[in-house]
Amino acid sequence: AQRVTQPEKLLSVFKGAPVELKCNYSYSGSPELFWYVQYSRQRLQLLLRHISRESIKGFTADLNKGETSFHLKKPFAQEEDSAMYYCALGASGGSYIPTFGRGTSLIVHP
Amino acid sequence: KAGVTQTPRYLIKTRGQQVTLSCSPISGHRSVSWYQQTPGQGLQFLFEYFSETQRNKGNFPGRFSGRQFSNSRSEMNVSTLELGDSALYLCASRQGASTNEKLFFGSGTQLSVL
Repeated sequence: AQRVTQPEKLLSVFKGAPVELKCNYSYSGSPELFWYVQYSRQRLQLLLRHISRESIKGFTADLNKGETSFHLKKPFAQEEDSAMYYCALGASGGSYIPTFGRGTSLIVHP
Repeated sequence: KAGVTQTPRYLIKTRGQQVTLSCSPISGHRSVSWYQQTPGQGLQFLFEYFSETQRNKGNFPGRFSGRQFSNSRSEMNVSTLELGDSALYLCASRQGASTNEKLFFGSGTQLSVL
């Protein structure tokens, strides 16, 4: 069965500090992984996906198949990064049943 | 382009009633999927429709059903409402059926069952 685990419900850092939001997945096939973000009073939106290997708003995420992880990182957190972050698994090669983690609330203090 | 539109924004129902939620995807998007979001369970996949056909279904009872029309608009129906159905219901659209396509979410319908 597919599973996405975000071990931290809340992550609190100061502005300028590095940030790492953890995401581990369980899936027997070839995973398609995403990070979605929800800022206060806004709708859920895509931040980045592993297939694009992109950096968005300074965030990067690398798929590590050996450790089954897709951690989200940013070297210097900004106050505007405060939001709820969801890691998501969209399986490939079979039924598409997207699985979301329970989310990590990131708070960046001034 | 207009974003994904969900109506109504809020709903209050009582146990045993049924409810219909509506979702209009982004123009040109053929896939609509539905999710239930609760504080305890997070975001859970209900089902996905593509070109009027249900392609995938999550692990929810048969009281939860949906459909998609020829213009890609989708409706979700919950019959015999239970207190535990209180949640934010989100729909999302994407252009095609590829699993690596990003989802565009609506603002959701907040359902309260009393």
